[in-house]
Amino acid sequence: EPEVTQTPSHQVTQMGQEVILRCVPISNHLYFYWYRQILGQKVEFLVSFYNNEISEKSEIFDDQFSVERPDGSNFTLKIRSTKLEDSAMYFCASRIGTSNLETQYFGPGTRLLVL
Amino acid sequence: AQSVTQLDSQVPVFEEAPVELRCNYSSSVSVYLFWYVQYPNQGLQLLLKYLSGSTLVKGINGFEAEFNKSQTSFHLRKPSVHISDTAEYFCAVSTNTGNQFYFGTGTSLTVIP
Repeated sequence: EPEVTQTPSHQVTQMGQEVILRCVPISNHLYFYWYRQILGQKVEFLVSFYNNEISEKSEIFDDQFSVERPDGSNFTLKIRSTKLEDSAMYFCASRIGTSNLETQYFGPGTRLLVL
Repeated sequence: AQSVTQLDSQVPVFEEAPVELRCNYSSSVSVYLFWYVQYPNQGLQLLLKYLSGSTLVKGINGFEAEFNKSQTSFHLRKPSVHISDTAEYFCAVSTNTGNQFYFGTGTSLTVIP
């Protein structure tokens, strides 16, 4: 069964450093998402991406964050200058089409620790 | 705005006993409701979803959930749990006015042999 994959599974970085989290969505899916979960808190929506542009973003997704689909298979989340509070589990998700009735398929997550 | 509340952060239950994981939501518009499960070191896997129609929804692994509009709830149930059901369970809502999901904080289900 096709699945969403994410790399790395864990990343440790120093505050102020840039990180890039990578995701490979399911191949025929058109909508892509990033969510994050700070330890003990809710899974929070960050951004959705469709047709090579951001379609929706939350207030968390400020100028420090960016997303890209560089090569037609990968979907990346970049944090330019990490802060301690960026430490969280980051989930990528994809959906086959544009209807909200459709299921979002999630990857296993990348656990980011900012020191 | 939409929000989801999962009141129970941890639920221990003995093997073969029934379980109910609670989920309440608030929304000013019609919602679609989902339950996801996360096994250790894996992604979120869809258990079941309510989009419309019958309020009792059956999902994978013997789970079911009932949508109760008057109580704004979507509780997840299983009549007899197995050790393999030990996992984190997330309730989520989406709407037809936006394509993001709103998640609860999750319930950690531990099945005790």
